[in-house]
Amino acid sequence: DARVTQTPRHKVTEMGQEVTMRCQPILGHNTVFWYRQTMMQGLELLAYFRNRAPLDDSGMPKDRFSAEMPDATLATLKIQPSEPRDSAVYFCASATDRTGTYNEQFFGPGTRLTVL
Amino acid sequence: AQKVTQAQTEISVVEKEDVTLDCVYETRDTTYYLFWYKQPPSGELVFLIRRNSFDEQNEISGRYSWNFQKSTSSFNFTITASQVVDSAVYFCALSGYGSSNTGKLIFGQGTTLQVKP
Repeated sequence: DARVTQTPRHKVTEMGQEVTMRCQPILGHNTVFWYRQTMMQGLELLAYFRNRAPLDDSGMPKDRFSAEMPDATLATLKIQPSEPRDSAVYFCASATDRTGTYNEQFFGPGTRLTVL
Repeated sequence: AQKVTQAQTEISVVEKEDVTLDCVYETRDTTYYLFWYKQPPSGELVFLIRRNSFDEQNEISGRYSWNFQKSTSSFNFTITASQVVDSAVYFCALSGYGSSNTGKLIFGQGTTLQVKP
């Protein structure tokens, strides 16, 4: 049963600390998305990659957030320095885009981040 | 601009009642995809259905059914004979199709469904 995995599942940190969240997409999926979920904003797209190349990161605060895909099996989202307003659940999702048509996105379990 | 509106913030029903979750979308694209996802209390997002815009046939899967009406830009979701396990937040979402499809999902704000025993 192929799944998207995310680590850590929970993270509590203090303001100013660096936070790194990791995602392993489903094997064979070539597109990875990072979403953030908060009560106020709902689900919002932060960034996404196709074939490891960043396509759009306009949803991310550029000064403190960065997203990378070091290889096809790992995507990372880093916050440095973290702030209390970054507290949220961060979801990774993966999908395939064969023939230019995206199939459904499969979501990981999320990383619940609390910044004190 | 693309937008998805789920006007119902919370719905509460008693088990075995039927319930319909509304979704209205806005897009300038002539072809697009619509989705429903379920987020149970455990937090993960579970894919329920994808529908492309040129297929307006209603779909039924067990107790779930979806009514897509392009004329009113709506993609409503009905649960028949609701069960306590249906309690969750349900999200409607929209994405592009074909060459305009970047895969990005635009989500509605979600509808929290509570099914009481």
